[in-house]
Amino acid sequence: TQLLEQSPQFLSIQEGENLTVYCNSSSVFSSLQWYRQEPGEGPVLLVTVVTGGEVKKLKRLTFQFGDARKDSSLHITAAQPGDTGLYLCAGDHSGYSTLTFGKGTMLLVSP
Amino acid sequence: GAVVSQHPSRVICKSGTSVKIECRSLDFQATTMFWYRQFPKKSLMLMATSNEGSKATYEQGVEKDKFLINHASLTLSTLTVTSAHPEDSSFYICSARGEIETQYFGPGTRLLVL
Repeated sequence: TQLLEQSPQFLSIQEGENLTVYCNSSSVFSSLQWYRQEPGEGPVLLVTVVTGGEVKKLKRLTFQFGDARKDSSLHITAAQPGDTGLYLCAGDHSGYSTLTFGKGTMLLVSP
Repeated sequence: GAVVSQHPSRVICKSGTSVKIECRSLDFQATTMFWYRQFPKKSLMLMATSNEGSKATYEQGVEKDKFLINHASLTLSTLTVTSAHPEDSSFYICSARGEIETQYFGPGTRLLVL
């Protein structure tokens, strides 16, 4: 079983604060995806990272893929209430058809 | 991004009845579709993987006779919960993958078994 450790599991912050979510594994991923899910809806893909050391930015969200492609982080700058949701990282191992999901980070941003 | 739909979005049924959930890829051909189950505030739990025209591969602990999966075409997969019981109440989500590795998720189906 390929494990993907995601932390923290729950985060409650005030509007304007910064935060970072981490995903770590002992195995190498061919790619890693970050999703955001709102209550009662399916996960929506935010970004896919493929290259070790890659950094991608999506407005106030910065995604980084570790050099060894075993870990990734999501950093949100100046969080807003609209960022509230469940953030999921999911890794794709080359040769496997299924994604390995982290346990998710429930983010609550209060105004 | 690609669009995946699910129908119905919500269903309430009596214990002992069967419920069918449809998952469709609307603008691409999905060679592989996945069915997940999700409990409140938890991550997704993979139930099974289905490839068009072949039998689904179920994850350990998932009863294949209870959760029937059919992937009859490149745009449609169905999940039938047979003889549903209250403990089957959950949020069921499908995803679809085409030629590229990215999975696109449906909006989910909320099942409540009374």
